[in-house]
Amino acid sequence: DSGVTQTPKHLITATGQRVTLRCSPRSGDLSVYWYQQSLDQGLQFLIQYYNGEERAKGNILERFSAQQFPDLHSELNLSSLELGDSALYFCASSAAGRVVGNTIYFGEGSWLTVV
Amino acid sequence: KNEVEQSPQNLTAQEGEFITINCSYSVGISALHWLQQHPGGGIVSLFMLSSGKKKHGRLIATINIQEKHSSLHITASHPRDSAVYICAVSYSGGGADGLTFGKGTHLIIQP
Repeated sequence: DSGVTQTPKHLITATGQRVTLRCSPRSGDLSVYWYQQSLDQGLQFLIQYYNGEERAKGNILERFSAQQFPDLHSELNLSSLELGDSALYFCASSAAGRVVGNTIYFGEGSWLTVV
Repeated sequence: KNEVEQSPQNLTAQEGEFITINCSYSVGISALHWLQQHPGGGIVSLFMLSSGKKKHGRLIATINIQEKHSSLHITASHPRDSAVYICAVSYSGGGADGLTFGKGTHLIIQP
């Protein structure tokens, strides 16, 4: 158990809909990272939050947004969903603001299927 | 753009064999991570390297910064080692960042 909790584990929704994925980082970790894993693109970094502030952006679509709350949990919002958004979405956390020098802990992922 | 290449893409071996998975990258990095993903989907961080060599049980990871290359070795492989092994790098320079991932090596160890 990594200590990173993601909900829901599985989600099926229709095109055009909006979903919210939730992540609770390991106790004490200030950084939360969101990653998308799809069959064709593999794992891709989406966005990072550190202590409530956006820290880095990767390949995140404009239809997607995220935030980190004062209790350090994070939510990834996916809107106007398309079939191609079907993927496994991972949340990860680390103690500090950089991946370098810090072990990163992954959640079990949220499987999103868009039909 | 930093490209991360892994080889082989797929590897099937017999129990007990010595396994090597390779990772190369194109630009300077701050650290390299080896990750393990089991069929259920969960990802576990195995190693984080910035230089030299690390060992944990039957797993050994090495990195050569000058050659921009890392290897993950598994000694006395076992069917429970069957998983996808993913190499990921973080960039040099300041600021926070995520990881850039290789496409993974699908390893199957047969009894």
